[in-house]
Formats: sequence, structure tokens, C-alpha cells
Amino acid sequence: QKEVEQDPGPLSVPEGAIVSLNCTYSNSAFQYFMWYRQYSRKGPELLMYTYSSGNKEDGRFTAQVDKSSKYISLFIRDSQPSDSATYLCAMSARPDSWGKLQFGAGTQVVVTP
Amino acid sequence: DTAVSQTPKYLVTQMGNDKSIKCEQNLGHDTMYWYKQDSKKFLKIMFSYNNKELIINETVPNRFSPKSPDKAHLNLHINSLELGDSAVYFCASSLREREGNNEQFFGPGTRLTVL
Repeated sequence: QKEVEQDPGPLSVPEGAIVSLNCTYSNSAFQYFMWYRQYSRKGPELLMYTYSSGNKEDGRFTAQVDKSSKYISLFIRDSQPSDSATYLCAMSARPDSWGKLQFGAGTQVVVTP
Repeated sequence: DTAVSQTPKYLVTQMGNDKSIKCEQNLGHDTMYWYKQDSKKFLKIMFSYNNKELIINETVPNRFSPKSPDKAHLNLHINSLELGDSAVYFCASSLREREGNNEQFFGPGTRLTVL
């Protein structure tokens, strides 16, 4: 069993819909949670960064962490075709570069006009 | 200006060959990483260097040898290439901080195909 589980999709939604993504994990030491977006044939780029449990909002993006359930989510409101990409969750037990990031497999999202 | 750059972007080679991938970052970061992304998009860390010192070394065959001549460069040399080495290799960098966001910035990737 992988430490981080993520449904690979693809997840297809119409433009304007809410995209809901999630990851589950097994390592209770994880405290730092991230969502990366990766366009086709590009490197991942950081979208959201959260520490411990709670919600964080940034524009159309909302990240939620529920440490008791070992479950994290990313919501994208008013989705646009430009949101079509693979979304990877990542987590770490440490805040600094000595803590290696454990990535999920990524969920492919397709937003259709 | 590209923040994290990798060369080459594509690499096609025969089994048994030796090849190198170069990475450079101009962000002033002190930590650099190599990741391997397989055909199923799973991104897995291979190595991490902080100020030229190896700090993460995952279970990677010793055919893979990273080299960091300075903190802005981290190269990856691969000996005796095998079919299973075919993947996209990403370089990344970050600034080590004791608290807060250690956001990693990724390069564009090097797509390695071993025939």
C-alpha cells in the first residue's frame, strides 16, 4: 500500500463546475500538505500549501486538511478549460527541505468548454 | 529567465550506454532534488542535496550518481542504462527554512527513452 493514495482519474467536468480532488494517506507524521498542478509535458508547480488541519482559500482554490481522517481535498470553483491538468497532492513530515515530499499519483482533470 | 533549467529536454539512447542530465537553478536556493516520474505519472524522489551535501538518498541503484559542483547545479549521471530507466526526470530546488513553506520549484523535465 502506498503512503499516499490518489485516484488517477480522468475527472471530466463542464466549464464552470466545481472540481473536487482528494488524497488519503497512512503516515500520521505528515503535517505539511501541498497541491501541485502539472500541465502536460511540464514540471509541477505549487498551487496550495497548508499546515496541519484546517482550510485555506486562494482565489478559486480551496484546500482542506482533515488529519483525524488522514484526508486532504482541493476544490476548484468556476473551473476553466485552462484548469485542465494533472493535480498532485504532496505531503511531508517536516517543514524544511530535509523532509522529503511524498507525492500522490496525480489526478488528471479535464474541463470541457 | 528560466528559474530551474535542465538539459537535455529529450534523451534517446541504447541500453548499456552512460548518459548525464544537467540541472541549474538561478533562484539562489540551497537545496536541489532529482525526481523520477514514471509512465503512470508517479513522482518519486531520488536524491536531495543541501549546499552540495547529500541529504536524501532513496533506494536508487548505484548506477545513478548525482554530482553537485556548487549549490546552483545538480547533475545526474546514469551508467549502464536499462529499459526500466525510461521515465521523465525532474530537477527541483528550494530554500531550506526551519519553519514555513519549503516550496519546491521544478524544472521542465528530461524525457529519457532507453531502447
